Amino acid sequence: KNQVEQSPQSLIILEGKNCTLQCNYTVSPFSNLRWYKQDTGRGPVSLTIMTFSENTKSNGRYTATLDADTKQSSLHITASQLSDSASYICVVSAYGNNRLAFGKGNQVVVIP
Amino acid sequence: DTGVSQDPRHKITKRGQNVTFRCDPISEHNRLYWYRQTLGQGPEFLTYFQNEAQLEKSRLLSDRFSAERPKGSFSTLEIQRTEQGDSAMYLCASSSAGASQPQHFGDGTRLSIL
Repeated sequence: KNQVEQSPQSLIILEGKNCTLQCNYTVSPFSNLRWYKQDTGRGPVSLTIMTFSENTKSNGRYTATLDADTKQSSLHITASQLSDSASYICVVSAYGNNRLAFGKGNQVVVIP
Repeated sequence: DTGVSQDPRHKITKRGQNVTFRCDPISEHNRLYWYRQTLGQGPEFLTYFQNEAQLEKSRLLSDRFSAERPKGSFSTLEIQRTEQGDSAMYLCASSSAGASQPQHFGDGTRLSIL
């Protein structure tokens, strides 16, 4: 079973609307959680990184939240734009482990 | 552009051939990672270097795969006797030392095995 589960797998939203993506993880002991944006045919680009003590972090129209107790994170996209169409990947790191655990991504399609 | 660069961007080859990919990390980064990504999946860890030392390898990295980082700068990933299951995007990432340092990814090499 994957240590990082993301939902929904895919969604379609109208330009200008908001959406929220979910990430649940079982990685332990927790070190940090990252959200990446991956455009088709490109490498992932870091959006946010949060450690245990942080419960929210923003990057422009992207706001990530973290609840380390329930092992859940969300990524909220405000006032979506066509350029937000991409896969959003949740990545979790464990202490003492150089490997990252990747989710499969949330595929977002923004339509005009 | 001072990001991570990968070459080539695309590689098409016949089954059984050998292929080699190159990754040039961000110059001040001492950590370098290789990942494999198939359609609809997140990246899967292959191997990791700190400077020139290869510190970790995934079980995904069969004996047909070899990675080097001879001078602690660029890295190469070679696949020998390619199989159709090797078709994937091969991503390279680099980072500074430190648990909370973000990994910066290149745009990958898309490998297609005929």
